[in-house]
Amino acid sequence: DADVTQTPRNRITKTGKRIMLECSQTKGHDRMYWYRQDPGLGLRLIYYSFDVKDINKGEISDGYSVSRQAQAKFSLSLESAIPNQTALYFCATSDPSLGGGHEQFFGPGTRLTVL
Amino acid sequence: GENVEQHPSTLSVQEGDSAVIKCTYSDSASNYFPWYKQELGKRPQLIIDIRSNVGEKKDQRIAVTLNKTAKHFSLHITETQPEDSAVYFCAATMSGGSYIPTFGRGTSLIVHP
Repeated sequence: DADVTQTPRNRITKTGKRIMLECSQTKGHDRMYWYRQDPGLGLRLIYYSFDVKDINKGEISDGYSVSRQAQAKFSLSLESAIPNQTALYFCATSDPSLGGGHEQFFGPGTRLTVL
Repeated sequence: GENVEQHPSTLSVQEGDSAVIKCTYSDSASNYFPWYKQELGKRPQLIIDIRSNVGEKKDQRIAVTLNKTAKHFSLHITETQPEDSAVYFCAATMSGGSYIPTFGRGTSLIVHP
C-alpha cells in the first residue's frame, strides 16, 4: 500500500547537535507537511511544501529548516537542537485532486528527545 | 489567521455512553471541518468530515454537526466502546485557498469498560 514513512522513529540527542528527520512517501502526492505534536497543544505546522520548488513557513518555523529533495522526500532539520524541541514530529501529505483535497495522510511519527 | 478552540481536553465515559467533543473556529471563510482520531502510539487518521453546505453527517456510531452561524462544530460518538479510546482532533480548513488545516488542541477520550 502507498504510505508515508519517517526515519528515525526515535532519536535522543544533546543540546546544540544538528538533527535531520526524514520523510518519504509513495502516495504520489505533491503536498508535504511537517507538524509538531506536544501534549495539550495539538498539531502545529512547522513547514509545508506544495511542490519540489515550493517551501513555506508554518506557525512555528523558528529553529527549523526543511529541504524538499524530490517529490517523495521532505526533510526537517534542527540546526542546533534545544530541549524545548523535544516533541513528537509528524510528516504528512495531501493531494488536492482527491475528494476535495483536504485529507492529511500522516506518517508514523518521530519521537525526538533533546537532552 | 484561523483559530480553533476544542473542548474538553479530557473526556471520561462509561462503555455504552455517548461522548460529545466541541470545537469553535474564528474564520468565517473556513468551509471544511475534518476530525482525526489518534490511537495511542499511532498516527492521526481521518474519521469523518463535514463541509459548510451540510449541517450534519453520520457514519455508523459517529456523527458531526456544524453551526455556521455560531462557528462551531461537534463530534458525537454513540454507544462508546473501549476501542474508541483515543485522542481526537478537530480542524478547520478553507477550500479554494491553501487547504492548510488549523487543528484544535485535542481531546483525550477514555472509555471505561
